[in-house]
Amino acid sequence: SQQGEEDPQALSIQEGENATMNCSYKTSINNLQWYRQNSGRGLVHLILIRSNEREKHSGRLRVTLDTSKKSSSLLITASRAADTASYFCATGGAGGTSYGKLTFGQGTILTVHP
Amino acid sequence: EAGVVQSPRYKIIEKKQPVAFWCNPISGHNTLYWYLQNLGQGPELLIRYENEEAVDDSQLPKDRFSAERLKGVDSTLKIQPAELGDSAVYLCASSPRTSGRGDTQYFGPGTRLTVL
Repeated sequence: SQQGEEDPQALSIQEGENATMNCSYKTSINNLQWYRQNSGRGLVHLILIRSNEREKHSGRLRVTLDTSKKSSSLLITASRAADTASYFCATGGAGGTSYGKLTFGQGTILTVHP
Repeated sequence: EAGVVQSPRYKIIEKKQPVAFWCNPISGHNTLYWYLQNLGQGPELLIRYENEEAVDDSQLPKDRFSAERLKGVDSTLKIQPAELGDSAVYLCASSPRTSGRGDTQYFGPGTRLTVL
């Protein structure tokens, strides 16, 4: 079963524009991670934000986390054609049998046009 | 440093045939995961190992799927017999520490299985 719901399912933008993807989840989490997957390839970790953090930056990436609303967003600034990929949020379980387990959302397909 | 290695990259089999996938994690990584990814979906965990121990196999369909991680290094995932609905990408991932403290997972390229 997949916990996260991502929005939008697909996003098409021009190079240089910003891209924002959202993720909502249902249960308590220890952390939330974002991964990128290029077509036909494995997933690559982008950024991890812990449940006691509200915002994190890494290069052109900005992630926010609102645990009261059980939601997160990923912002990619000044997008490039090479950013074209599927982006997945994954929630790390907070306790019990879910501790240490990552549950992935269905992903957002981002297309950046040159 | 070499990444997670998986083989084969592609496999086409007839239904009811057996199939096996192999994974070699990043050196020193204690935790190994097998995921199933259907087209247009995110990965879904099948089984998680910490060293040699399967600590979470609740999502593994045990009637036809089996996995092992001998010596706590590489791992094999087997399906016997395969069904049409098993067509998917099988991903292996590893992370450096046990006890699931929110570590990054490093993924292999996956094995794309097609069952005819």
